[in-house]
Amino acid sequence: SQQGEEDPQALSIQEGENATMNCSYKTSINNLQWYRQNSGRGLVHLILIRSNEREKHSGRLRVTLDTSKKSSSLLITASRAADTASYFCATDETGGFKTIFGAGTRLFVKA
Amino acid sequence: SAVISQKPSRDICQRGTSLTIQCQVDSQVTMMFWYRQQPGQSLTLIATANQGSEATYESGFVIDKFPISRPNLTFSTLTVSNMSPEDSSIYLCSAKEGNTIYFGEGSWLTVV
Repeated sequence: SQQGEEDPQALSIQEGENATMNCSYKTSINNLQWYRQNSGRGLVHLILIRSNEREKHSGRLRVTLDTSKKSSSLLITASRAADTASYFCATDETGGFKTIFGAGTRLFVKA
Repeated sequence: SAVISQKPSRDICQRGTSLTIQCQVDSQVTMMFWYRQQPGQSLTLIATANQGSEATYESGFVIDKFPISRPNLTFSTLTVSNMSPEDSSIYLCSAKEGNTIYFGEGSWLTVV
């Protein structure tokens, strides 16, 4: 069963703009991760944030986690056409070992 | 990070046949998983591949349809049995190192 819901389902922006994607989940988690999937390819791990962390940065990526609201956001700053992809959040439930993926956001960055 | 190789990368299969997907990891990993991704959808966990014992299947997936082998800590196979067009999907092998899951490039199966 899927753990997370993401919004928006699809997002279209101009190159140089920021893109924000949100993820909500249902149960207690150990950590939350974001992945990128280019069309027809496997998933690439972007960033992991632990349940006791509130914000994390990696290059142009900024992830926030609000465990009280069971939600996370991924911000991509100064987007590029190469950022066009689907982005998925994924969670590891507390006490579990399985990783469950959200529905994903399809991002399209126009050059 | 683990590097995962999957094959075949793509195949067109006849209805009623079975296909086995192979997954090789470049290092020993405790946890390996198989996911399915139907067109335009997210990933759904099929099963956890357990080394030396039967796989642990998620709700909606059964061993007769998706038999899985895990003979050692670097290799696993998933068979999609008696395929129907509804089985047309990307099948993704993954391995967990620490808290991070690494994926192969996936196997695109089209059932005709």
